[in-house]
Amino acid sequence: AQSVTQLDSHVSVSEGTPVLLRCNYSSSYSPSLFWYVQHPNKGLQLLLKYTSAATLVKGINGFEAEFKKSETSFHLTKPSAHMSDAAEYFCAADFNQGGKLIFGQGTELSVKP
Amino acid sequence: SAVISQKPSRDICQRGTSLTIQCQVDSQVTMMFWYRQQPGQSLTLIATANQGSEATYESGFVIDKFPISRPNLTFSTLTVSNMSPEDSSIYLCSVYLAADTQYFGPGTRLTVL
Repeated sequence: AQSVTQLDSHVSVSEGTPVLLRCNYSSSYSPSLFWYVQHPNKGLQLLLKYTSAATLVKGINGFEAEFKKSETSFHLTKPSAHMSDAAEYFCAADFNQGGKLIFGQGTELSVKP
Repeated sequence: SAVISQKPSRDICQRGTSLTIQCQVDSQVTMMFWYRQQPGQSLTLIATANQGSEATYESGFVIDKFPISRPNLTFSTLTVSNMSPEDSSIYLCSVYLAADTQYFGPGTRLTVL
């Protein structure tokens, strides 16, 4: 079955250190992949997307993600965390290119001063 | 991009009652979706709101419980019927635009007592 797995339910980093949020998908085909961020009591904001073009995708707020087909992964990274990055992050996939998204379980990112 | 609004933003309801949530988009879109985010959980697709025809429901969701209307290309409603505390969730609408981009509304936070 097609699925999205976020490997960490919670990640804690210090301000100014790198961020790595992991996401793997399960499918025979390469889906479109997305990262969304949800701040407390806020809606979902699109950070970046992969849609079969460049495998290294740059998004907003200094985030980027690399699509690795051999590893069926789409990990989100940022070189230097900021306090404002503290939020819930969701990885999602569109396996059928029809707009229906399957979401991972979410990763809560905490940033310590 | 698309600007999406939802009404109400939040509500507290008694069990056994129904609530209709509205979703308005600032441009015409073909694909609209409704998602549910249960407390502390990820997002799950409820249904695709089809303009001019019946909605397409995902496994585990039925029309009697979650009737959906889509009278035109900018508007949709989701009704949560005969509510129980288990229906307490955030309900989000989304639209799927060209270039494989999906935008989400701010969500409706529902609490059922």
